[in-house]
Amino acid sequence: SQQGEEDPQALSIQEGENATMNCSYKTSINNLQWYRQNSGRGLVHLILIRSNEREKHSGRLRVTLDTSKKSSSLLITASRAADTASYFCATDKGFGNEKLTFGTGTRLTIIP
Amino acid sequence: DTAVSQTPKYLVTQMGNDKSIKCEQNLGHDTMYWYKQDSKKFLKIMFSYNNKELIINETVPNRFSPKSPDKAHLNLHINSLELGDSAVYFCASSLTGTTDTQYFGPGTRLTVL
Repeated sequence: SQQGEEDPQALSIQEGENATMNCSYKTSINNLQWYRQNSGRGLVHLILIRSNEREKHSGRLRVTLDTSKKSSSLLITASRAADTASYFCATDKGFGNEKLTFGTGTRLTIIP
Repeated sequence: DTAVSQTPKYLVTQMGNDKSIKCEQNLGHDTMYWYKQDSKKFLKIMFSYNNKELIINETVPNRFSPKSPDKAHLNLHINSLELGDSAVYFCASSLTGTTDTQYFGPGTRLTVL
């Protein structure tokens, strides 16, 4: 079954506002990654957070990880039109079972 | 220079045909992957190769046969195409294993009529 599920499935916000997307997963993980996919393009890696980390920042991105709740959130601050894309979380279990399992994705639309 | 490239970008074919998709990466990575993304944007791993050796083979019909002539190339051959094979196929690569950042190609949209 699908490892990760993103919430919400779709999100529309005004440019300049913050966007928050959530990812929940079902089993213990080694790492969690977030990827962005622009329409008609391949996925682009945004950030990786390890299971022993709680928060990570990269530019306007902030990722949190709560392993007790099996969930992660991606916050994009001061959104821009160029942030319009689908965002996916992906998890791996490590230790010989290292395939990346992707979530269902959140479609983010930034309204100029 | 494109890091991970795929050809063709679009592929339209009849049911029952055999087709191939090619992938090349110029990043010097050891590991390459094939993913399938369906119409609902659900992305699922199909195969993974590390230094030309198959390391992940998900429950994919044996009509799908990957081939890695060297660690910079991973091609996907599909026999006897079916309607359900219509999807976008992505190639990706990573430096060593799955837990590294993966770099994706632009995708190949396969339409089976």
